[in-house]
This record gives sequence, structure tokens and C-alpha cells, in this order.
Amino acid sequence: GENVEQHPSTLSVQEGDSAVIKCTYSDSASNYFPWYKQELGKGPQLIIDIRSNVGEKKDQRIAVTLNKTAKHFSLHITETQPEDSAVYFCAARIYNFNKFYFGSGTKLNVKP
Amino acid sequence: DTEVTQTPKHLVMGMTNKKSLKCEQHMGHRAMYWYKQKAKKPPELMFVYSYEKLSINESVPSRFSPECPNSSLLNLHLHALQPEDSALYLCASAQTSGGRNEQYFGPGTRLTVT
Repeated sequence: GENVEQHPSTLSVQEGDSAVIKCTYSDSASNYFPWYKQELGKGPQLIIDIRSNVGEKKDQRIAVTLNKTAKHFSLHITETQPEDSAVYFCAARIYNFNKFYFGSGTKLNVKP
Repeated sequence: DTEVTQTPKHLVMGMTNKKSLKCEQHMGHRAMYWYKQKAKKPPELMFVYSYEKLSINESVPSRFSPECPNSSLLNLHLHALQPEDSALYLCASAQTSGGRNEQYFGPGTRLTVT
């Protein structure tokens, strides 16, 4: 089955700096890659996603890049704010299969 | 609207109790999920329903019994749980066709087994 690895496990940045979280996947049949933000005591919130036919996608301060050849994808957050502090999970979904494979999570701390 | 609702928000139950968790979505999604999440860990898949039929059971103990009464509702029946079953239980839904892949989570039920 699919295996998704995520790094780093914790990331501390100064407010206004950029943050990058990286994930790798193993199954070339994976074609959809979402990112979730989970705040304490809440359910994961879908913040951005990318499909395998696209190399990059941006939404205001967040962006996701995908390298299919290397089987890795990354979340980029620019101009970080304290409210960006949360745990972020990457995931992968294999084409035509209803299962999502999650990375182990990154705890992002944005210091004011 | 991308809302998945779950009730109750919190639940405390003894090891001999029977209780149920409820989940609802009105996005027309035909795949619905139950996940278990322990602190500082990713969601761990328990069950997937596709078109109201159980399609994935990740070898979950029989003290957890899922039910999908219709395309909008998902229940998780709990019986004779153990303290180690204490966790955040998340419901999610996703589209299964039409090129749409997004999965949306509910807020979760915080379960404590005493």
C-alpha cells in the first residue's frame, strides 16, 4: 500500500517568515494530495490540495508544489502569522480508491 | 457548504455502556469515513462506506459497529469499550466520482472511557 512520510515533525518560525513542510509518497498510482490544518481540539481542515496533473497551486499565502518524478510534494506558507500555529498533515489518495494515507504531522509554531 | 456535523461533542462512558456517535453531511458525498485519532498522531482509518455499503474495515474490534442508514448519515455504535479506546473520533466524507477528491472532516467527538 501507499506510504506517506512527512518532515519535519516540528517547525518553529518567527512571525513573517516562511515555512515549508515536505512529504514523500511511495505509490505512483496516487493522484491527489491534500493538506490539512488541525487546531487544538478541532477536526482537520482542508486548506489546499493538488492533483497529479498540476505542478503548483497557490491560494493567497499558501502554496503546494508537486514533483511526480521524485514522488514528493510540499506545503509553503509565506508571511506566517501566529494564527498559522497548528498541526499540519499531508495525505495522498490513490486513483479511484476511497482511502487517504496520512503523513505523521508537523507541529508549526509561529512566534510573535 | 462543506460542513460535516458530529454529535455529541464530548462523551464519557463506562466499559459496560452502549453509546452511539452520529455524523451527518449534506454535500452529496457518497463516501463516508470513521477515523480514530490519538494525541499528536494522524487520523487512523477505521471504516469506509461507499454508496451506503461498508467497503473498508481496517480490522477494527467488534466493539465498534458502524452503520450507514442513508447517504447523509453515519453512525458508530460503541459497546464494551476499553480505556485505551479513549480518543477523538472523526467522521469525514468525500466525493467518489466526477473527478472530485476532496475529503472534509467533522469537528470530532472526544470520547473518554472510564
